[in-house]
Amino acid sequence: DSGVTQTPKHLITATGQRVTLRCSPRSGDLSVYWYQQSLDQGLQFLIQYYNGEERAKGNILERFSAQQFPDLHSELNLSSLELGDSALYFCASSPAGGPNEKLFFGSGTQLSVL
Amino acid sequence: GQSLEQPSEVTAVEGAIVQINCTYQTSGFYGLSWYQQHDGGAPTFLSYNALDGLEETGRFSSFLSRSDSYGYLLLQELQMKDSASYFCAVLNTGFQKLVFGTGTRLLVSP
Repeated sequence: DSGVTQTPKHLITATGQRVTLRCSPRSGDLSVYWYQQSLDQGLQFLIQYYNGEERAKGNILERFSAQQFPDLHSELNLSSLELGDSALYFCASSPAGGPNEKLFFGSGTQLSVL
Repeated sequence: GQSLEQPSEVTAVEGAIVQINCTYQTSGFYGLSWYQQHDGGAPTFLSYNALDGLEETGRFSSFLSRSDSYGYLLLQELQMKDSASYFCAVLNTGFQKLVFGTGTRLLVSP
């Protein structure tokens, strides 16, 4: 158990809908990262937050947004969902603001868009 | 931009030694990390190299050559439980993020 909690574990929704994925980092960690992993693909970096502020941005679509709250938990919002958004979404945390070579990953949210 | 190349799949038998290579292209290189991911599981950190040379952690070792933009993960005394995907990841100070390769699927057979 990495100490990073992600909910829900599975999410099934329809195209055009909006969903919210939630992540609670390890106790004491200030940084939260979001990654997307599609079938047979590597981990694509989406965005990083550090202590409530956006720190780095990757290939995150405009339909996607995220935030980190004062209690350090983070939410990833995906809107106007398309079939291609179906993927495993991982949250990871680290104590540092970045860069950090050792990330602790949650168990992921499997999103299926039908 | 940044790119990492790894073999897509490697097969080996129990007790053997296997090497998973990773070549990368990036600017502002800081270090190379390795992660393991079992099917349906989360990636877990294995090792990190910032300097040239070999880092050993039990049955696993990782090597880095900064001049060659190359690294590898060496797994010894393979066990069935080592069957998983292995990702190299570049730590880049300029972009403040860890960029992952597409992963190498290791299949260990009896």
